[in-house]
Amino acid sequence: AQSVTQLGSHVSVSEGALVLLRCNYSSSVPPYLFWYVQYPNQGLQLLLKYTSAATLVKGINGFEAEFKKSETSFHLTKPSAHMSDAAEYFCAVSESLGGNTGKLIFGQGTTLQVKP
Amino acid sequence: GAGVSQTPSNKVTEKGKYVELRCDPISGHTALYWYRQSLGQGPEFLIYFQGTGAADDSGLPNDRFFAVRPEGSVSTLKIQRTERGDSAVYLCASSSTAGEQYFGPGTRLTVT
Repeated sequence: AQSVTQLGSHVSVSEGALVLLRCNYSSSVPPYLFWYVQYPNQGLQLLLKYTSAATLVKGINGFEAEFKKSETSFHLTKPSAHMSDAAEYFCAVSESLGGNTGKLIFGQGTTLQVKP
Repeated sequence: GAGVSQTPSNKVTEKGKYVELRCDPISGHTALYWYRQSLGQGPEFLIYFQGTGAADDSGLPNDRFFAVRPEGSVSTLKIQRTERGDSAVYLCASSSTAGEQYFGPGTRLTVT
């Protein structure tokens, strides 16, 4: 069965500092991997996705993530945090059968706090 | 263009009552998903439609939960004999073939 573990339910960084949000996955088949962001009282928005192409994936708002099969990880990074990055971040995995992404299995989420 | 919409945005109901939650997907999207998000948790998969049929309903917690998508567009999630444990935000998402899932804002269900 697939699963996702996000290490650290809360991460706090200073504005301008590096953001690192950790995600490890478990999957018996080559996975599709995703990072979503959820701002207060808003829906989930896709930041980036890995679908077996390049292992370093660039997303919106300056975020990127690297797929490391040997470590079963897909950590999210951003070189310089901005106040507007404060939100809840979710890592998700999918089996991607038959073309559609199929059901997503989400991690518990990480709340990112950005201090001025 | 219009995104995924869900109605109502908030629903308060008494224990034991029946509720229906509606999802309007992005026009032309063939796949539709329902998830449930409890406080402090990540979304949990409930059911996935491809067209009119449920391709995967393995996430429905019990037979009090049922969902339909009769014309392959709008979907309704139905919960019978609601329990306080059903309180959560119910999220809907849609996607085109091989596309990303676009999420709606959710319906916050509170069972008193």
